[in-house]
Amino acid sequence: RKEVEQDPGPFNVPEGATVAFNCTYSNSASQSFFWYRQDCRKEPKLLMSVYSSGNEDGRFTAQLNRASQYISLLIRDSKLSDSATYLCVVNQAGTALIFGKGTTLSVSS
Amino acid sequence: DTAVSQTPKYLVTQMGNDKSIKCEQNLGHDTMYWYKQDSKKFLKIMFSYNNKELIINETVPNRFSPKSPDKAHLNLHINSLELGDSAVYFCASSPGQGARELFFGEGSRLTVL
Repeated sequence: RKEVEQDPGPFNVPEGATVAFNCTYSNSASQSFFWYRQDCRKEPKLLMSVYSSGNEDGRFTAQLNRASQYISLLIRDSKLSDSATYLCVVNQAGTALIFGKGTTLSVSS
Repeated sequence: DTAVSQTPKYLVTQMGNDKSIKCEQNLGHDTMYWYKQDSKKFLKIMFSYNNKELIINETVPNRFSPKSPDKAHLNLHINSLELGDSAVYFCASSPGQGARELFFGEGSRLTVL
């Protein structure tokens, strides 16, 4: 079983749509959780951290369920510029960040 | 001013050759990493150094040898290149171990023919 699993997509949505991505992680000792964004042929960049209480950053909402080992990202009012691959990322003590394979989002006009 | 810079950006070479990729960060970070992103886009940790000391060494063939001359530099040397080594290699840095955010370089796209 992979350490971090995501639905690869692609998710094809119109502008203005709400889209949700899910992620599961296998190691219950995981301590920190993040979403990174990677544009085509570019490097990954931190989008947001994920906190147990859930957190929001503008149109983006992240949720964490430690009991189910499940992380989600909700994007409201999608923009063309949201088109990218979204990487679910987990940190365990003593290791580097562990990346999921990513979910590809394509927003069209 | 590029925070994490890698050279070369593109590298095309023949099987069996030896090649190096260089990485430098000007963020004053203590920890640096090499990640490999294969054709399936899976980003996997290879090595991590903290203040020039190797702290993470994942299951990577010993044809891959990282070197950190100082905490601002982390180079990757690959011997006897194989077709399966074709990938994008990303260097990254963070303020310390267990950091919340990695700062990535633009990647070095290696193609082995």
